[in-house]
Amino acid sequence: DQQVKQNSPSLSVQEGRISILNCDYTNSMFDYFLWYKKYPAEGPTFLISISSIKDKNEDGRFTVFLNKSAKHLSLHIVPSQPGDSAVYFCAAQIQGAQKLVFGQGTRLTINP
Amino acid sequence: NAGVTQTPKFQVLKTGQSMTLQCAQDMNHNSMYWYRQDPGMGLRLIYYSASEGTTDKGEVPNGYNVSRLNKREFSLRLESAAPSQTSVYFCASRDGIGGAYTEAFFGQGTRLTVV
Repeated sequence: DQQVKQNSPSLSVQEGRISILNCDYTNSMFDYFLWYKKYPAEGPTFLISISSIKDKNEDGRFTVFLNKSAKHLSLHIVPSQPGDSAVYFCAAQIQGAQKLVFGQGTRLTINP
Repeated sequence: NAGVTQTPKFQVLKTGQSMTLQCAQDMNHNSMYWYRQDPGMGLRLIYYSASEGTTDKGEVPNGYNVSRLNKREFSLRLESAAPSQTSVYFCASRDGIGGAYTEAFFGQGTRLTVV
């Protein structure tokens, strides 16, 4: 039972444009969400997070939006740069629980 | 600052062999995790340790055992390796006291092939 789903295995975007990565979840108990970025042969690194009490969080070129009623979150990258080419994972947590549940990942490719 | 260190980085095992993957963190984190990454499956939790002296099963614990040796170290053991355990293994740590909202830090991974 995949509680966190990233339905797009890959995404290709032109440099300078907006990249939008999507994530859906099924467990309404999740109340904290994170995005991780992963380059080949490296471990995932934390990118940005959002608590369920918010609907938006920004950090430079990265913005995460949360729609609790739809159980959906998205990561926007503006403008996209070649260094953003990586696999992006969304993850979710329940307060008081220790587990982070990850989605399948989306491979983002930024084309020059 | 080393963060989370995993050894070895690569390993090839024959079916039935055993091995231990080592993980150490220097961030004084309470919680430590073992994940495996497979194509199309994302990161799946094998085992985790919420604090020193405790361990719990994750989503895919079968075929694995873990030991939280001390606060710094969390090892993953394959007693009898199977080809289905061919994967990339990641160790992570987090300062998750009481399940607080903090991010996890990952090691560089161990690429394991079982033939």
